[in-house]
Formats: sequence, C-alpha cells, structure tokens
Amino acid sequence: QVQLQESGPGLVKPSETLSLTCTVSGYSISSGNYWGWIRQPPGKGLEWIASIYHSGSTYYNPSLKSRVSISVDTSKNQFSLKLSSVTAADTAVYYCASVAVRWFDPWGQGTLVTVSS
Amino acid sequence: DIQMTQSPSSLSASVGDRVTITCQASQDISNYLNWYQQKPGKAPKLLIYDASNLEAGAPSRFSGSGSGTDFTFTISSLQPEDIATYYCQQYDNLHPTFGQGTKVEIK
Repeated sequence: QVQLQESGPGLVKPSETLSLTCTVSGYSISSGNYWGWIRQPPGKGLEWIASIYHSGSTYYNPSLKSRVSISVDTSKNQFSLKLSSVTAADTAVYYCASVAVRWFDPWGQGTLVTVSS
Repeated sequence: DIQMTQSPSSLSASVGDRVTITCQASQDISNYLNWYQQKPGKAPKLLIYDASNLEAGAPSRFSGSGSGTDFTFTISSLQPEDIATYYCQQYDNLHPTFGQGTKVEIK
C-alpha cells in the first residue's frame, strides 16, 4: 500500500524559498508513476503545482513555473518541491500525491506552510 | 490551460436525496475527468476516475458520467457521511486542473 508523507518547515519568511519533501513508502519511486504537488490556500480550492516522472521529466503549472522546481531522489524514495520568492499568497496546505495514470491517488496528509515574517 | 467550471458552488439537500454536480471543461478532454471528496481537515480522496469508474472501496451510491466537455457526478441517496466538498479534475495534457469545488451540506 503506497503511503506519502510531507515534511518541511511550517513557517517561511516572505521572499525566501519554501522547501518540502515527500517520502514515499510501500512503493519504489524508481519503479514508475508520476509524482505531484498540489496546494490549497486556507478556505479555498485545489491548485496543482508540479509533477515529476520517476525518470526526472518535469511538468509545471504555468502560473508558478518561474518560481517552482520539483526533483526526485530515488535513493531516498523521496521527491521534493522548491518554491522561491514566496509571499503571503503562497500560504497553503501543501499535498504530495502519486499519479498512477491520470488521477492523484493516494495523497499525503498535507502540511500547512505559512508565509509570514 | 484547460479551465474547469464546476457548479453549483454549494448545495443543501436532505438525507436520501439525489444530488448532482456538474463540471464543464473549456475544451474536449475525452473521459479524462476525475472526482474527489474532501472532508474538513483531510486530504482529498479519489472517488471516480476516467469519468465513470468507481474507485475500489468507494460506496456504489457515487457515480459519474460524461465525455468531451460535460460531466456529471451523482450521489444517488445522500448520507450524513457524504458531507464534504467535491472537486472535479481533468488530466488531459499533463497539466491537471481542478474545478472550484462544491460544498455539500445536509438540510
């Protein structure tokens, strides 16, 4: 059974870089699948941020592309997200998820990241 | 990017009622449309994939239909545990997008 767990700082200062890691258990990232990040500002809807294939091919939301980087570390069975130059608008619950075919399943439990000085 | 227009944004219905949510894509996405349920404080959970396929373990009162640009999600008999926000999501071109969500409440 695939399980995902997000980790990283819960508080980031404006203009700094948000860094999150998703640790996958129950499945080897190098075996296949896409892996993705989705976020949800408090009280709002879901926004896809980026996806990465196990081989390293990356796909980004055009609205965030200039600030986002996604990477995979198969040796640690993890994939990571970096979002630079953050503002208060980047405050959200950040989810990582597996993309087996064309849907996100399963999801991690999510981690709240607050951008504030 | 493909825009997803979901409606209504919220609804209130009685236990046992049939509930319908619609999602419209800005261009043809074949059947690449998924539905998720999100309860407060929890991660979204996949219910329906590829427009009409029920995810393993999901109750049979949930169903989906549609293709092209117009899709429908139905709860055949609303139960108290179905109180949640439901989202559609397209995955036609490796740039997925979500609908705005529909909050379902009990009347």
